[in-house]
Amino acid sequence: DTGVSQDPRHKITKRGQNVTFRCDPISEHNRLYWYRQTLGQGPEFLTYFQNEAQLEKSRLLSDRFSAERPKGSFSTLEIQRTEQGDSAMYLCASSSTRAGDGQYFGPGTRLTVL
Amino acid sequence: GIQVEQSPPDLILQEGANSTLRCNFSDSVNNLQWFHQNPWGQLINLFYIPSGTKQNGRLSATTVATERYSLLYISSSQTTDSGVYFCAVEHPRGDTGRRALTFGSGTRLQVQP
Repeated sequence: DTGVSQDPRHKITKRGQNVTFRCDPISEHNRLYWYRQTLGQGPEFLTYFQNEAQLEKSRLLSDRFSAERPKGSFSTLEIQRTEQGDSAMYLCASSSTRAGDGQYFGPGTRLTVL
Repeated sequence: GIQVEQSPPDLILQEGANSTLRCNFSDSVNNLQWFHQNPWGQLINLFYIPSGTKQNGRLSATTVATERYSLLYISSSQTTDSGVYFCAVEHPRGDTGRRALTFGSGTRLQVQP
C-alpha cells in the first residue's frame, strides 16, 4: 500500500491556460474524491467517483472543470481557461466501501495561476 | 447544509502540555474523521470515529453523536504535533453529496519547545 499519489505536486500556469492533474488512489479503493483547499480554509468537496461512475458533483465544480476516471483506477481533473481564483491546493482522496473506514488523502497539487 | 465548528481556532502550547480540541456539528452524521495537516499540506488520518472513544498513543478521540460533538485529546504534546487539526463529517442528506466530507475551519496548533 503506497497511499494516494498525485501528480504534479506543483503547477504554475498563466491565466487562460488549461491544466490537468492526476490522482492514483490506494489500489483496493473503489471510491475517489476531489477536494479544493484555499489558504486558511478547510478542504471543500468537488466531486466523487465510485469505480468509473461520477456520482456526485458540488456546485463549486463549474463548467470549466471536468473530472474523469475512465477505467475505475486513476482519475484526472482538468481546469480549462484557468482564472486567478482557481489558485488553490487540489486534493484527492480515496476510500473503500468497507464499513468502518474513512477517506485517505494524497499530498495534493498546488496550483498557482498568474 | 451541515455546519461544522471547531474550537479553539488557534492554540499555543508548551512542549509536554495537554490539550483538548472540540468539533461541533449541526446534524446527524454517518462518518466523522480527525486529520492533522502538516506544514507541507498533507492531511494525515488520525481517527475514523462516528461514535465512541478511540486511542492511539498520545492521541485519543471521543464522539458523542447524540449531542453532536467530538473531542480530540493530545497529551504530552511535542513540537511535531504542530499544524492544523481538522474535523470532517459525512452527512447522509448533505446538499454537497452523501459521500462528501464537510470540513471545519480547523484548529491551528503551535507547540513551543
